[in-house]
Amino acid sequence: DIQMTQSPFTLSASVGDRVTITCRASQNIHTWLAWYQQKPGKAPKVLIHKATSLQNGVPSRFSGSGSGTEFTLTISSLQPDDFATYYCLQYNTYYRTFGQGTKVEIK
Amino acid sequence: EVQLVESGGALVQPGRSLRLSCAASGFSFGDYAMSWFRQTPGRGLEWVSLIRSVSAGETTEYAASVKGRFTISRDNSRSIAHLQMSSLKIEDTGVYYCVGGRIVAGTFEDYWGPGTLVTVST
Repeated sequence: DIQMTQSPFTLSASVGDRVTITCRASQNIHTWLAWYQQKPGKAPKVLIHKATSLQNGVPSRFSGSGSGTEFTLTISSLQPDDFATYYCLQYNTYYRTFGQGTKVEIK
Repeated sequence: EVQLVESGGALVQPGRSLRLSCAASGFSFGDYAMSWFRQTPGRGLEWVSLIRSVSAGETTEYAASVKGRFTISRDNSRSIAHLQMSSLKIEDTGVYYCVGGRIVAGTFEDYWGPGTLVTVST
């Protein structure tokens, strides 16, 4: 299996802050990486696919970068609706694997 | 509007069986791969199983942790996917999500149901 290592586990930030979350793959996954947002009691929702492509309807303050084994999700100006848990997902193979998640909390 | 609704989650004893169902609407069901994911306190979000689209031969794949115990299937005439789970273990406890997805011409279509809770306990 491809292991996905995400950091940090938790992140305390204020509205308006720039936030960066990192995901590292155990092997080259090219750009087959997605980022998801999950709120309590809800299913994950895709924000970014193919490492950098913004999913339709997702605010432009979300952006993704990276390729190969190192990837980043950036929220340029954190909004109240963005406090949630974020996951990376590799889909380089059918055996998809997630990172451990990053909980973004209010500072 | 795309909708997926899981059903069948329950409290069940270790070693028993359970069948989950996923009713889909709002998209061309046969054109999509259907997957099951689960979310557990111990292992977080985890892919469980996949059945490919009609055009991809409806072939199936399983995570190592469930291979030989779980069986995925689909009924394209009724737009329903199933996950038959047998020899259940305590570590199978979690919320199970049904997901319909496809990647076509640079688009990433990914539809999730709200989830159904499976609890394996004595």
